[in-house]
Amino acid sequence: KQEVTQIPAALSVPEGENLVLNCSFTDSAIYNLQWFRQDPGKGLTSLLLIQSSQREQTSGRLNASLDKSSGRSTLYIAASQPGDSATYLCAVERDSNYQLIWGAGTKLIIKP
Amino acid sequence: SQTIHQWPATLVQPVGSPLSLECTVEGTSNPNLYWYRQAAGRGLQLLFYSVGIGQISSEVPQNLSASRPQDRQFILSSKKLLLSDSGFYLCAGQRDSQETQYFGPGTRLLVL
Repeated sequence: KQEVTQIPAALSVPEGENLVLNCSFTDSAIYNLQWFRQDPGKGLTSLLLIQSSQREQTSGRLNASLDKSSGRSTLYIAASQPGDSATYLCAVERDSNYQLIWGAGTKLIIKP
Repeated sequence: SQTIHQWPATLVQPVGSPLSLECTVEGTSNPNLYWYRQAAGRGLQLLFYSVGIGQISSEVPQNLSASRPQDRQFILSSKKLLLSDSGFYLCAGQRDSQETQYFGPGTRLLVL
């Protein structure tokens, strides 16, 4: 059974720092992995999608990596800004029926 | 915490056929409920939300409709599917408008 874990559950850092959010999954048979952002009281914003054949994806200050063999993905945020404050969710799409398995999220606070 | 159930996991339907996707929520009463769609290679789009039984708000004009016949049941329907209805449909539940939305595993719909 696929399980997705995100560590840490919460993170608070000063503005300007580079940071890494972690996501781990137990079954390497995945179709893709996605990182989402959720702002308080709002829905999800899709940030990056990494296909199972890819190693990383980049968008602006965000870089997501995928290591299927170790069951890990990281989301790297460079030069963090207060506007980056949100909950970041990792979700794995299973190879068999394409459903998403969600991590519990990391709540990120960037202090001005 | 809440648990969101969605079914089916995958669905292949011909153009012009009807659609019914179901979402049910466990763990909370009178939740706000949401239907999202993620088209291939694109972000999430909010389709409908509901703050109570029989109360449906639509975010975008489209071929789809939603209904909430019971407190913890949210149904996405169409009378005649279009090719452009293909995508990944996510249901979400929220205990309060200021709290986190919890997402279901999704339904992948392919209209041929």
